[in-house]
Amino acid sequence: GENVEQHPSTLSVQEGDSAVIKCTYSDSASNYFPWYKQELGKRPQLIIDIRSNVGEKKDQRIAVTLNKTAKHFSLHITETQPEDSAVYFCAATVRDTGFQKLVFGTGTRLLVSP
Amino acid sequence: DAGVIQSPRHEVTEMGQEVTLRCKPISGHDYLFWYRQTMMRGLELLIYFNNNVPIDDSGMPEDRFSAKMPNASFSTLKIQPSEPRDSAVYFCASRGSGAATDTQYFGPGTRLTVL
Repeated sequence: GENVEQHPSTLSVQEGDSAVIKCTYSDSASNYFPWYKQELGKRPQLIIDIRSNVGEKKDQRIAVTLNKTAKHFSLHITETQPEDSAVYFCAATVRDTGFQKLVFGTGTRLLVSP
Repeated sequence: DAGVIQSPRHEVTEMGQEVTLRCKPISGHDYLFWYRQTMMRGLELLIYFNNNVPIDDSGMPEDRFSAKMPNASFSTLKIQPSEPRDSAVYFCASRGSGAATDTQYFGPGTRLTVL
């Protein structure tokens, strides 16, 4: 079945540095790639997403890039702040007998130190 | 819109007891998903529904787990009998259909502790 691999599992940066999280997927039919941020004790919340007809999308300090040929996509956070500390999950859509579901990566714990 | 609603937010029960978790999806959404999250296994999809019909329950760990969606605004996840290894946070999520509505929204979760 569809597999989404996410790296690294943990990432520590200094405030103001950039952070990059990478994911790979296996199903060439995947066409939607969301990123979720989960703060401690909270629900996963969508922070940015990208569709397969776009190579890059940016929203203030966060951006996502997609390489369909290589089947990988990445989350870029610039000028990191302590409030960016959280677990980040990537996901990819999978067609399931005419329906659609998300397959999630295993998560990256980002720690931004002041 | 109030978003996805789950109840209870916290549940503590003893091994062997029946546990029922409840979810109200966002109005108009026709997909509903149940996930389980633990440190060891991450975010696992248990089952999902489309238009109240179960589509894929391959993630349901055992026969002790069952889920229903009697109407478009309500779903339950039941564990009977519960075991300590069922302790986890259970999330419900919903989304609409079509390319413009791919976004999946999570509820606040139910933290289940089985003693």
